[in-house]
Amino acid sequence: DTGVSQNPRHKITKRGQNVTFRCDPISEHNRLYWYRQTLGQGPEFLTYFQNEAQLEKSRLLSDRFSAERPKGSFSTLEIQRTEQGDSAMYLCASSPLWDQPQHFGDGTRLSIL
Amino acid sequence: GESVGLHLPTLSVQEGDNSIINCAYSNSASDYFIWYKQESGKGPQFIIDIRSNMDKRQGQRVTVLLNKTVKHLSLQIAATQPGDSAVYFCAEKANSKLTFGKGITLSVRP
Repeated sequence: DTGVSQNPRHKITKRGQNVTFRCDPISEHNRLYWYRQTLGQGPEFLTYFQNEAQLEKSRLLSDRFSAERPKGSFSTLEIQRTEQGDSAMYLCASSPLWDQPQHFGDGTRLSIL
Repeated sequence: GESVGLHLPTLSVQEGDNSIINCAYSNSASDYFIWYKQESGKGPQFIIDIRSNMDKRQGQRVTVLLNKTVKHLSLQIAATQPGDSAVYFCAEKANSKLTFGKGITLSVRP
């Protein structure tokens, strides 16, 4: 399977804990995006990378969130001191160029107890 | 504010009929539009896209129409099948990010 891969698929944690998600994009895709999706809503943009450079961050991305793509391949999204409101599906997408469709992984569902 | 929205939250169609899903957008700077299908527990799946210099594009069983005058986008699905049952999102791209609408559920009756 050469699609976007996300791990873990599900994460349950207690409020206040730190969590980290991983995304492996389609190989050779320069652009990598993170989104958050809550029930009944469309995905909301969080941040994106072109190769290893993080080029834009949404206002949704508070100081507790950090994303990296150190070698321009896989990316990680970390949430520190999780809160109830962080419960959501975190989606990763990748695309080769600016005006080509983004292809999504199946997401990591985060549940905060 | 700028938004992408869908007119109806649900659509129920008979198997074999054609489906039309509509979407309104408000950002006149958007130059690229995409339709996604999302099944339960999965990420959005690309269906078809269209650039702002076009008004129609066809794929396999699907057609996207773009009316920039009224900022309207539609997805037509021919001969709707049970496997088409899902939530459909339109998305617009301006600058570097996609903005999604809330989604419409397509339910196919056997």
